[in-house]
Amino acid sequence: AQSVSQHNHHVILSEAASLELGCNYSYGGTVNLFWYVQYPGQHLQLLLKYFSGDPLVKGIKGFEAEFIKSKFSFNLRKPSVQWSDTAEYFCAVISGGYNKLIFGAGTRLAVHP
Amino acid sequence: KAGVTQTPRYLIKTRGQQVTLSCSPISGHRSVSWYQQTPGQGLQFLFEYFSETQRNKGNFPGRFSGRQFSNSRSEMNVSTLELGDSALYLCASSHEVTGSGTEAFFGQGTRLTVV
Repeated sequence: AQSVSQHNHHVILSEAASLELGCNYSYGGTVNLFWYVQYPGQHLQLLLKYFSGDPLVKGIKGFEAEFIKSKFSFNLRKPSVQWSDTAEYFCAVISGGYNKLIFGAGTRLAVHP
Repeated sequence: KAGVTQTPRYLIKTRGQQVTLSCSPISGHRSVSWYQQTPGQGLQFLFEYFSETQRNKGNFPGRFSGRQFSNSRSEMNVSTLELGDSALYLCASSHEVTGSGTEAFFGQGTRLTVV
């Protein structure tokens, strides 16, 4: 079965620190990859997505992710985090068409001022 | 453009009862998916509907069912509620044309508590 692994469950950073959240997926075929964010009390929002083309994807709020097919990875990065980035981050994959998202367990990020 | 609307936002039910949750997708979106979010299991796919047809189903018991209406609005039903059904139920809609995965927009969810 397809699965998504997020390596860090909790991350604590100070403002201005750099962020990298790991994500690996198990499916070997064509995949669509996503990072979603859930701010406290809010709904899931899309940060960025990869369908095809340039493996370095830029999203909202200064986030980017790199798709490395050989490593089955789609890591999320941000060079300098802000307190407002405190949230839970989910990596997700769709494979085989349709709209069945397989989510990772999520990473809770806390940014301290 | 209005987002995905889920009603009700909060619900408390007793074990053994049944419950119906509603989802109105973004206008023009024909695909509606449902997910269950719990602290222990995370986000799990329940089912997806497109043009009133269930196209995909997750690994949930038959007590979980859904349907989609001609206006793309969707409902999910859980019968014979168990304590373990307590969760945040999320609905997502997508504007899918080609059959390949597209971006899903999520609603605020319905928080179901079973007592």
